[in-house]
Amino acid sequence: DVKVTQSSRYLVKRTGEKVFLECVQDMDHENMFWYRQDPGLGLRLIYFSYDVKMKEKGDIPEGYSVSREKKERFSLILESASTNQTSMYLCASSLGRRVTEAFFGQGTRLTVV
Amino acid sequence: AQKITQTQPGMFVQEKEAVTLDCTYDTSDPSYGLFWYKQPSSGEMIFLIYQGSYDQQNATEGRYSLNFQKARKSANLVISASQLGDSAMYFCAMREGIGGGTSYGKLTFGQGTILTVHP
Repeated sequence: DVKVTQSSRYLVKRTGEKVFLECVQDMDHENMFWYRQDPGLGLRLIYFSYDVKMKEKGDIPEGYSVSREKKERFSLILESASTNQTSMYLCASSLGRRVTEAFFGQGTRLTVV
Repeated sequence: AQKITQTQPGMFVQEKEAVTLDCTYDTSDPSYGLFWYKQPSSGEMIFLIYQGSYDQQNATEGRYSLNFQKARKSANLVISASQLGDSAMYFCAMREGIGGGTSYGKLTFGQGTILTVHP
């Protein structure tokens, strides 16, 4: 089974802190994604990566950056956490350009206080 | 403009009855795919069903079927014989550029519909 693992299920950080959310997939997928989920807004794409060291902005990249040094790992970085970044963060991965479903991690519920 | 619209914030259904969750989409790309995901209260996203824009027949997976009406740009999920375990949030999502484009698998999601199944 494909497994996408996010490093933390719950996280509480202080305003201004630098926050790292880690995601690892074990199926050699080329594509990896970070979404945030907020009530009434569904899932919104923050950043995605289609290859090692390649990244592209999604719909809401402001305040975030990403890193993909290895194929299996995709990190989301909040450079200076703010309270409006309190949300559920979901990592996903999928095969290259074949049309298959994306597989999701269990989510990280981040609270910034 | 919203690319995926789910107009039902919440739906209720009696156990063993069928229910339809609505999804409309907006794209000018002729090659696209539509997905439905289920998210139980535990938070994981579970893939349910997929429909490609060129597929001639409506997709079916067990108790799930997708009522695909291309001209109306709708892709409604039909769950037959609802079970208590079907209570969850349901998301419709679209991937554009499946005909060799550069979408890289990006999915655009709707707002979601919370389904509650009553015994």
